[in-house]
Amino acid sequence: QVHLQESGPGLVRPSETLSLTCTVSGGSVSRGSDQWTWIRQTPGKGLEWIGYLYYSETTHYKPSLKSRVTISSDTSTNEFSLMVTSVTAADTAMYYCARTAFGVIREWGQGTMVTVSS
Amino acid sequence: EVVMTQSPATLSVSPGERATLSCRASQSVSRNLAWYQQKPGQAPRLLISGASTRATGIPARFSGSGSGTEFTLTISSLQSEDFAVYYCQQYNYWLSFGGGTKVEIK
Repeated sequence: QVHLQESGPGLVRPSETLSLTCTVSGGSVSRGSDQWTWIRQTPGKGLEWIGYLYYSETTHYKPSLKSRVTISSDTSTNEFSLMVTSVTAADTAMYYCARTAFGVIREWGQGTMVTVSS
Repeated sequence: EVVMTQSPATLSVSPGERATLSCRASQSVSRNLAWYQQKPGQAPRLLISGASTRATGIPARFSGSGSGTEFTLTISSLQSEDFAVYYCQQYNYWLSFGGGTKVEIK
């Protein structure tokens, strides 16, 4: 069973960069069959796929977020990360990291709340 | 983007009764459809993938059906622990989620 744990600041100022890390145990971010995924959830927009990474370096992002999002991994620490630039209040959400296999989200982290506010 | 629409938004059901939840895709997603359950303060949990295949440890009272654009999740006899929000998610073209159906106690 893969376990995932998100970490990062809970408060980010508008126009700055949101950075989160997901620590993976029981699995490997370099395993090609898995897609290491970021998802966010808000009361207004519900669940929103942000993007995923596989084979440690191949990434796919939701088209509407692609210009502001980067997902990367560190195989030495078995972590993967999310960066969202130029944040606004609309980026306020619960952020989840997850292990996805062939598009199916098999395990989720517990989530971390990020608020964008000055 | 494939838009997923769930109905109803809220379903009031008595314990022991059957619940039927619907999910519609804006274009065909074949059988690349998953269902998740989310309880307050928790992350979603996978129930069903491939439209009808239960995940490990999911009770048989949960069943899924459909293909193309129309899908259904049925809970045959609601237990107290089943009152939650349910989401469908397509993975035929990237990933996208429905808005959820809240199953509440009648």
